[in-house]
Amino acid sequence: SAVISQKPSRDICQRGTSLTIQCQVDSQVTMMFWYRQQPGQSLTLIATANQGSEATYESGFVIDKFPISRPNLTFSTLTVSNMSPEDSSIYLCSVTWTGGIEKLFFGSGTQLSVL
Amino acid sequence: GIQVEQSPPDLILQEGANSTLRCNFSDSVNNLQWFHQNPWGQLINLFYIPSGTKQNGRLSATTVATERYSLLYISSSQTTDSGVYFCAVIYNAGNMLTFGGGTRLMVKP
Repeated sequence: SAVISQKPSRDICQRGTSLTIQCQVDSQVTMMFWYRQQPGQSLTLIATANQGSEATYESGFVIDKFPISRPNLTFSTLTVSNMSPEDSSIYLCSVTWTGGIEKLFFGSGTQLSVL
Repeated sequence: GIQVEQSPPDLILQEGANSTLRCNFSDSVNNLQWFHQNPWGQLINLFYIPSGTKQNGRLSATTVATERYSLLYISSSQTTDSGVYFCAVIYNAGNMLTFGGGTRLMVKP
């Protein structure tokens, strides 16, 4: 099966700084998503990463805070900007290979702690 | 939006026991998936099951779409089954996967 690599796997950052998370898939995918999982909580969709165009953000998430790039069919980045302790979460990249959202597969996640 | 509720929120089992996890949803769905998040945070897709029944080893799942619920059965549980089980759905009027709150399972040796 395909491999979804996410890095860094974890990081500790100072407030006010930014962190860029990378997601690399070893085969072309149709759709890529970014999720956030706050401590002890379920998963919340941040945005759909669109190839070659602006990401589609869910309610409560904005491009200035979470800029996303997707330059091709196998790679995407999520930046968490101007971080605060409330941004401490696991950030997960997910992909699907079918035309619609049938089975969703996840990367190993990035554990972010903001001091 | 759609509401997805999972029960029980927490479950402790002795190794070898069987269990049933439930997922209720408030609207018609055209996509339902079950995931297992292991203690290291990795999410594994267990089933894509918008309706009907599927089995994979000791795990099986049933979705009764008309009654808006799905069940995940774990038989002869093992310590490696520990973690959080999530149900996620896409409802007919939507295009995003909505996750339930999860069931946290601990299997004791």
